[in-house]
Amino acid sequence: DQQVKQNSPSLSVQEGRISILNCDYTNSMFDYFLWYKKYPAEGPTFLISISSIKDKNEDGRFTVFLNKSAKHLSLHIVPSQPGDSAVYFCAASAMNYGGSQGNLIFGKGTKLSVKP
Amino acid sequence: GAVVSQHPSRVICKSGTSVKIECRSLDFQATTMFWYRQFPKQSLMLMATSNEGSKATYEQGVEKDKFLINHASLTLSTLTVTSAHPEDSSFYICSAGTHLNYGYTFGSGTRLTVV
Repeated sequence: DQQVKQNSPSLSVQEGRISILNCDYTNSMFDYFLWYKKYPAEGPTFLISISSIKDKNEDGRFTVFLNKSAKHLSLHIVPSQPGDSAVYFCAASAMNYGGSQGNLIFGKGTKLSVKP
Repeated sequence: GAVVSQHPSRVICKSGTSVKIECRSLDFQATTMFWYRQFPKQSLMLMATSNEGSKATYEQGVEKDKFLINHASLTLSTLTVTSAHPEDSSFYICSAGTHLNYGYTFGSGTRLTVV
């Protein structure tokens, strides 16, 4: 049973336009969400995160929106650049009983292609 | 920022041999290290979690005798794929963290090909 779902395996966007990557989750205990970018044959690179106490976090061209009632989050990239072409993973975690953050649960990723 | 170094980046080995992959935290002490595996077009699947000085905790379906994990120091964890077979060919990634940054810094990954 997938707890973190990225239903779009791929997305193609024109350079300069907005890219919107979506992620849904089922576990209401998740309280911390992250987006990673991954190039082939490389490890994931952290992009941006959001805590469940917020509904928006912005860092430069990247903004993550969290809708807790819908158990949905999205990553907005604007303006999109060809260098943004990569696979984007959504990940979630829940606080452990001991107070530390739990393991990351990843979605399957969305391959973003930004065309010049 | 936190840096995690993973070696080798790619390795080809013969079926039946063992391969060791190293994961080092370069500028912080990692109390916890995670090992992931990624199959083509699939997500990162957590294999095991290791805390320094204690035995690793393996996820369901991961053979602990086949994937040996050692976390002997606060800066080094190793994954040894024993008696490798072609179906073990995959991309393995480690991540390391402290209680403040819980395993969110990733290594660059290792592409293992078993022939």
